Amino acid sequence: KAGVTQTPRYLIKTRGQQVTLSCSPISGHRSVSWYQQTPGQGLQFLFEYFSETQRNKGNFPGRFSGRQFSNSRSEMNVSTLELGDSALYLCASSLGLRDPSGANVLTFGAGSRLTVL
Amino acid sequence: KQEVTQIPAALSVPEGENLVLNCSFTDSAIYNLQWFRQDPGKGLTSLLLIQSSQREQTSGRLNASLDKSSGRSTLYIAASQPGDSATYLCAVPNYGGSQGNLIFGKGTKLSVKP
Repeated sequence: KAGVTQTPRYLIKTRGQQVTLSCSPISGHRSVSWYQQTPGQGLQFLFEYFSETQRNKGNFPGRFSGRQFSNSRSEMNVSTLELGDSALYLCASSLGLRDPSGANVLTFGAGSRLTVL
Repeated sequence: KQEVTQIPAALSVPEGENLVLNCSFTDSAIYNLQWFRQDPGKGLTSLLLIQSSQREQTSGRLNASLDKSSGRSTLYIAASQPGDSATYLCAVPNYGGSQGNLIFGKGTKLSVKP
């Protein structure tokens, strides 16, 4: 069973540019979440999509956006890149059930490492 | 606002030693708590999930405990091996959020020396 696939794995951009990252979830998973990981702030939640709708959003500026397609694949976009956007961006998928027991455990991809120069 | 803290930030032990990693959270109204492992430059691997009604979960040499009243969880690793070297993170679901919206601690970087 294929895992969560993120592309590209590495990319370098300059300030002011924009970037689009892609995430293909595990087959059958309808929820995709995005996280930003930096040495200073650790892992921070960006947003979650379920059935093409944004379900939750973290505390990030509007330059960060995302979407989900009918096949559950998701993309996130960062516009007007800043040096501080350099980070590992992680995507995670799950069944997306609102189950407090946590039965639908997140499965993470390997991440996309973005460097902004 | 829920906050998750992990102490120490780094830990180095000799191979074979039993060790405990700590995780604390400020709001005890959690649905569950998860422990993850992250290898350098890689994504996260889920190790154990403890539901709020449980006290412990075990998987192989790993045992995680949860004490909601004190806002603490521990991850016990028995007979540590060099392959256990990684960063260990704990996380809880955000208030009213789904399982996809987790609040993470900053992790404990474990180094097991041969």
